[in-house]
Amino acid sequence: GDSVTQTEGQVTVSESKSLIINCTYSTTSIAYPNLFWYVRYPGEGLQLLLKVITAGQKGSSRGFEATYNKETTSFHLQKASVQESDSAVYYCALETGGYKVVFGSGTRLLVSP
Amino acid sequence: DMKVTQMPRYLIKRMGENVLLECGQDMSHETMYWYRQDPGLGLQLIYISYDVDSNSEGDIPKGYRVSRKKREHFSLILDSAKTNQTSVYFCARGSGQLYFGEGSKLTVL
Repeated sequence: GDSVTQTEGQVTVSESKSLIINCTYSTTSIAYPNLFWYVRYPGEGLQLLLKVITAGQKGSSRGFEATYNKETTSFHLQKASVQESDSAVYYCALETGGYKVVFGSGTRLLVSP
Repeated sequence: DMKVTQMPRYLIKRMGENVLLECGQDMSHETMYWYRQDPGLGLQLIYISYDVDSNSEGDIPKGYRVSRKKREHFSLILDSAKTNQTSVYFCARGSGQLYFGEGSKLTVL
């Protein structure tokens, strides 16, 4: 079946430092999946952060970037300089044929002042 | 509007009771989803609905069934709830980008 792996359950980063949240995926689909990062800020609902539907392309939003790497089957989330307001839970997800969307287990980001 | 509404937001049931979780959307979008989320496990897909009476099992359908008689409404039904079905349930709509409801927290005692 399809799966998404996020190895870090929680990441703590000091404000203004760089961030990387790891995401790898596995799919049995012969077509390349669409890849997403969703985010849940404290007290808010889950919402889309960014998406990339073409292998090799980069998506960006709110200073975050993620590159769809089909060779390593990865879609790591990066930011050059985090802020306290970035503290949230981040979920990597893939969409295969039939609109099936599979999520990773999530990574909680804590940004310390 | 992209609003997805879930009812009830909180529910406490005893083991063996039936549970009905309801989800509504205001865009008549075709594809709708039910997920459950447990600590450390992320969101697990229960069912997908492509349209009225066109539903497909997700990764963990056992113990659940769904009903979609109108495009705007998608219900999740637990016949004879079990304690291990205590969870937060999320409904979503969309394709390519999902829009989520606020969740329904179910406790089965």
